[in-house]
Amino acid sequence: EIVLTQSPGTLSLSPGERATLSCRASQSVSSSYLAWYQQKPGQAPRLLIYGASSRATGIPDRFSGSGSGTDFTLTISRLEPEDFAVYYCQQYGGSPGVFGGGTKVEIK
Amino acid sequence: QVQLVQSGAEVEQPGASVKVSCKASGYTFTGYYMHWVRQAPGQGLEWMGRINPNSGGTNYAQKFQGRVTMTRDTSISTVYMELSRLVSDDTAVYYCARDLHLNYYDSSGIKAYWGQGTLVTVSS
Repeated sequence: EIVLTQSPGTLSLSPGERATLSCRASQSVSSSYLAWYQQKPGQAPRLLIYGASSRATGIPDRFSGSGSGTDFTLTISRLEPEDFAVYYCQQYGGSPGVFGGGTKVEIK
Repeated sequence: QVQLVQSGAEVEQPGASVKVSCKASGYTFTGYYMHWVRQAPGQGLEWMGRINPNSGGTNYAQKFQGRVTMTRDTSISTVYMELSRLVSDDTAVYYCARDLHLNYYDSSGIKAYWGQGTLVTVSS
């Protein structure tokens, strides 16, 4: 089973700054079957990105995804106050439900 | 618009079973796989399994094989997740999540719409 490792565990940034989140897979993710989700306290996760780089409906273009193989990145170009949350990557190729451990983006 | 409304919080004793419901609206119920994902307090997301509402076919994560049962009632556009032989580590918020793509035979695995979550507490 693929293992997804997210780094850093916590990212402390100020509004307006750029956030770069990493998701590394223990083996190659087929066809870039990699998604990113955002979760705020007390809320369900929200789909941001799928297919490594396709934004889900209604997601602002400050969110972008990139990568292939074993290394993937979620970038938030300029952090808005509502972007401070926990972000999870998920591989949905060979195994339908493997999630990474999450990266918390907190206000510095 | 797509809505997934889950049943309310439950408190169960160790060894008991719990059944959580997820009522769907705003789309063709039988056309999209439904997943169940849980989240223990302060922890990450854990996929439990999925159900094809069209056929009733299921796939469960190995960890939950033999303990979880996912069913559906197409007449009321509702899916169910039942977890048996509960232990304290099963204390978590349980989410249903609908697949992204319309497909009567296969799942993309992308969880595009989520229910509000159901807190299940296992305690004696």
